[in-house]
Amino acid sequence: DARVTQTPRHKVTEMGQEVTMRCQPILGHNTVFWYRQTMMQGLELLAYFRNRAPLDDSGMPKDRFSAEMPDATLATLKIQPSEPRDSAVYFCASGVSRGSPFFGPGTRLTVL
Amino acid sequence: TQLLEQSPQFLSIQEGENLTVYCNSSSVFSSLQWYRQEPGEGPVLLVTVVTGGEVKKLKRLTFQFGDARKDSSLHITAAQPGDTGLYLCAGEGGSNYKLTFGKGTLLTVNP
Repeated sequence: DARVTQTPRHKVTEMGQEVTMRCQPILGHNTVFWYRQTMMQGLELLAYFRNRAPLDDSGMPKDRFSAEMPDATLATLKIQPSEPRDSAVYFCASGVSRGSPFFGPGTRLTVL
Repeated sequence: TQLLEQSPQFLSIQEGENLTVYCNSSSVFSSLQWYRQEPGEGPVLLVTVVTGGEVKKLKRLTFQFGDARKDSSLHITAAQPGDTGLYLCAGEGGSNYKLTFGKGTLLTVNP
């Protein structure tokens, strides 16, 4: 049963610390998305990649957030420095071209 | 910016009742997707509708795409506690396959 995996599932950190979230997309999927979910804003697209190339990161605060795909089996989302307003659930999703994305279980981030 | 408004925001009903939730926009979408999300999990795709006026059924769930491809509805017949969850609609528009999500309808079905 192919699934998107995300680590860690939960992260509590202090303001100013660096946070790295990792995602392993489903094997064979060529599109990877990063979303952030909060009660106020719902699901927001932060960035997405196709064939490991960034296509759109307009939803991401560029001064502190960065997203990369070092290889086809790993996507990372980094926040440096983290702020309390970054507290949210971060989802990675993968898909094939125009197919519907499959979501991972999310990383719940709390920044104190 | 394409926005999707979902209503109602919260819905609590008894087992066996019927319900309809709505997803509306002023924008036209090339397709619209419905997801269900359970606590602690990511959204799971239920259905994709593509053609204006299209109706799709998934057991007790009926999905409809508006004729103008700006709105959609989800109707659940004889709701069960297992239907409890956050129902999200997402519209696809533009050339780069970007999904815009609504904020969801949180459904609670009480036994």
